[in-house]
Formats: sequence, C-alpha cells, structure tokens
Amino acid sequence: GENVEQHPSTLSVQEGDSAVIKCTYSDSASNYFPWYKQELGKGPQLIIDIRSNVGEKKDQRIAVTLNKTAKHFSLHITETQPEDSAVYFCAADDRGSTLGRLYFGRGTQLTVWP
Amino acid sequence: DAGVIQSPRHEVTEMGQEVTLRCKPISGHNSLFWYRQTMMRGLELLIYFNNNVPIDDSGMPEDRFSAKMPNASFSTLKIQPSEPRDSAVYFCASSSNSGGHTGELFFGEGSRLTVL
Repeated sequence: GENVEQHPSTLSVQEGDSAVIKCTYSDSASNYFPWYKQELGKGPQLIIDIRSNVGEKKDQRIAVTLNKTAKHFSLHITETQPEDSAVYFCAADDRGSTLGRLYFGRGTQLTVWP
Repeated sequence: DAGVIQSPRHEVTEMGQEVTLRCKPISGHNSLFWYRQTMMRGLELLIYFNNNVPIDDSGMPEDRFSAKMPNASFSTLKIQPSEPRDSAVYFCASSSNSGGHTGELFFGEGSRLTVL
C-alpha cells in the first residue's frame, strides 16, 4: 500500500511568519492529496486538498503544491496566527481501491507564538 | 447535517471489561472508517466498510477487536476484553465515494478510551 512520510514533526514559528510542511508518497497511482487540521480535543478537519491534475491550489492564507514527478506535496501557511496552532496531517488516497481509503502522515505539531 | 456522531466521548473502564464504541456516519455516505490515534503510532486505520460491508480489517490489532455495521446509519467497534494498551482516542469517519472519485473524509469528535 501507499507510504506517506511527513516532515517536520514539530514546527514553531513567530506570528506573521510562514510555515511549510512537506510530505512524500510512494504510490505513483495516488491522485488525491488532502490536508487535515486537528485542534486539541477535536477530530481532524479538512482544510485544503489537491488532485493530481493541478500543481497548486490556494485558499486565502493556505496553499498546497504538488509535484507528481518527485512524488511530494507541501502545505504553505502565510501570515500565521496563534489560531493556526494545531496538528496538521497530510494524506494520499489508495488508488488500488476507489472506496475512499486514505493513508496519513504522522502529523506536524505547529505552534505559532504571538 | 450534524456530522459524524460518536459515543461515548469519554470512557474509563477496568482491564478485562468489554468496551463498545458507537458511530453514526453522515447520511448518504457510503464508506465508514474506524481509526485509532496514539502519540506513539499516530492515526492508524483499524477497519473500513463500504456499503455496510467490511473491506479491510487488517489494521485490527487482534481478535479482541471487532467491528460491525448492521445498517448504513450505525457502526460499532467492540473491544473484549480490554487491556491498558488499548487506551487511545478512537475516531470514526465517513465519506461518499463514487466513480473513482475520492470524497472528503469527515471525522467525528472521537471517543477517548482509558483502560485502567
């Protein structure tokens, strides 16, 4: 099955700075790459996703880039705010199945200092 | 829609007791997933169903774990007997997938299990 690696495991930034989280995947057949944000005591929630027919997608302060040749994708958060502090997970779909299974990275604990 | 609903939110039990976690997926979703989250192992997929049929249970740790989905609106994850190492947050998630298109996965708020 798919193997998703995520780095870094922890990231601390000053408010207003940018944060970048990177992921790699192993199965070239994967074509859906979502990012989830998990706040303390809550379930993960989708914040942005990208499909393999595009290289970049942006939604206000967050953006995701995808390099299918290199099999890596990244989350970019600009102008970070304290409320961005959370655990972020990247994921890739299982193209061996069309039933919605996702493979998750280990997560990145982002802390934004005011 | 109320989202994915899990119960109980917190469960504290003693080793050897039976634990049953419950999940109501979002109406109309055809796939349901049970995940376990721990600091050591992150988010682990235990089992998932499509159209109420178990598809892959290779993530279930051992025979003490079982899951059912008797209908499209209800699923249970049972641990019998429970052990301290089962302490974790268990998430249920659901999605709608068709025509080879992976849909957004919606998570419940989780059930925090503590086995003493």
